[in-house]
Amino acid sequence: KNQVEQSPQSLIILEGKNCTLQCNYTVSPFSNLRWYKQDTGRGPVSLTIMTFSENTKSNGRYTATLDADTKQSSLHITASQLSDSASYICVVSGNAGNNRKLIWGLGTSLAVNP
Amino acid sequence: NAGVTQTPKFRVLKTGQSMTLLCAQDMNHEYMYWYRQDPGMGLRLIHYSVGEGTTAKGEVPDGYNVSRLKKQNFLLGLESAAPSQTSVYFCASSYWQNNEQFFGPGTRLTVL
Repeated sequence: KNQVEQSPQSLIILEGKNCTLQCNYTVSPFSNLRWYKQDTGRGPVSLTIMTFSENTKSNGRYTATLDADTKQSSLHITASQLSDSASYICVVSGNAGNNRKLIWGLGTSLAVNP
Repeated sequence: NAGVTQTPKFRVLKTGQSMTLLCAQDMNHEYMYWYRQDPGMGLRLIHYSVGEGTTAKGEVPDGYNVSRLKKQNFLLGLESAAPSQTSVYFCASSYWQNNEQFFGPGTRLTVL
């Protein structure tokens, strides 16, 4: 069964600290992996999209890594800010990148405290 | 550009009532999608459209209908609302089928 599992479920860090969120997937065949940020009460916003040939991709203070062999991805947040408090969702596409076949994770809820 | 907008933002219905959720995008995207988000579950695709005048079923289409009469609008209808349809509904659009999706702010629907 195609699945996307994220860990930890929730995380609390202090402002200015770094953190890393994990995503493991069993989706096959694999096409691309996406990380979304979802603020409370808002729609998801895309952070990165990575294909199987990309090992790392950055978007400002967000850096995503992908190991297609072990089917693992991570999202690293550097020098966290209060505005980083949100849910971070890992999404995997298993059918030629088709948006109709996205498998959504449950997300990691991140709280950044002052 | 407003991006993707949704109306209404909140709605409370009684069982059996009907309503239509409106999604509009101003990015000239071909693809549009309706999702629902429930606690403890990932986003689930209800219906989608690959262009003006087309619609197709997603993962959880039962109890919903959609229409895409204009390229910029995608309507989601509930003909006879049920408590199981209490959820947050998100509309999204993308230029093509494997491009980045842009999401609206969501509609929180409660069915009593």
